[in-house]
Amino acid sequence: QVQLVESGGGVVQPGRSLRLSCAASGFTFSSYAMHWVRQAPGKGLEWVAVISYDGSNKYYADSVKGRFTISRDNSKNTLYLQMNSLRAEDTAVYYCARVAKQWELLRAFDIWGQGTMVTVSS
Amino acid sequence: DIVMTQSPDSLAVSLGERATINCKSSQSVLYSSNNKNYLAWYQQKPGQPPKLLIYWASTRESGVPDRFSGSGSGTDFTLTISSLQAEDVAVYYCQQYYSTSFTFGPGTKVDIK
Repeated sequence: QVQLVESGGGVVQPGRSLRLSCAASGFTFSSYAMHWVRQAPGKGLEWVAVISYDGSNKYYADSVKGRFTISRDNSKNTLYLQMNSLRAEDTAVYYCARVAKQWELLRAFDIWGQGTMVTVSS
Repeated sequence: DIVMTQSPDSLAVSLGERATINCKSSQSVLYSSNNKNYLAWYQQKPGQPPKLLIYWASTRESGVPDRFSGSGSGTDFTLTISSLQAEDVAVYYCQQYYSTSFTFGPGTKVDIK
């Protein structure tokens, strides 16, 4: 079935880096734009970044611009989030999510992973 | 960036009664070229990822019970649960996908009275 599985979370010190992965299965990954969304403990949802189906377009939230990089490997059906210069306020569950229609960017998010926890602490 | 607000922050409704959640965007999310409102509603239960309920402001996602309905246009939107069930206890978020900031509202917590 259609599935997204995140991995790579953990505890990291402020200023260090971490790379998250999102493995997709059950659909043609290379046809869909993909997002990262995060949720700090006890807080609401915050959109982080999006990448178009072919990787040619990327957009970021101001809070992560210049520190985080979204990428994808369509041959491996995997989405990535490289997080550099991590701060305490980046502590959150990070979800990957698929857009609801092939090829399009401006669509709702219809499939979500279970999330991976990132804790930034010394 | 488009700012999304929701009201109320929380509400408690008796089983079988109606629950209404409001969402407002700081600018219109109605695309004039296709007359579609780029507005979605999500439900998130504790310990779970969000689940898409409504897109285009009023289109129910496949498998979503028809007691959930969305309405509104431009900057003002509403999610209605016509007859609240125990399994509807959750936090509900609106989200705009009109611009590439994809902002979410702060969420509305729905409980049983």
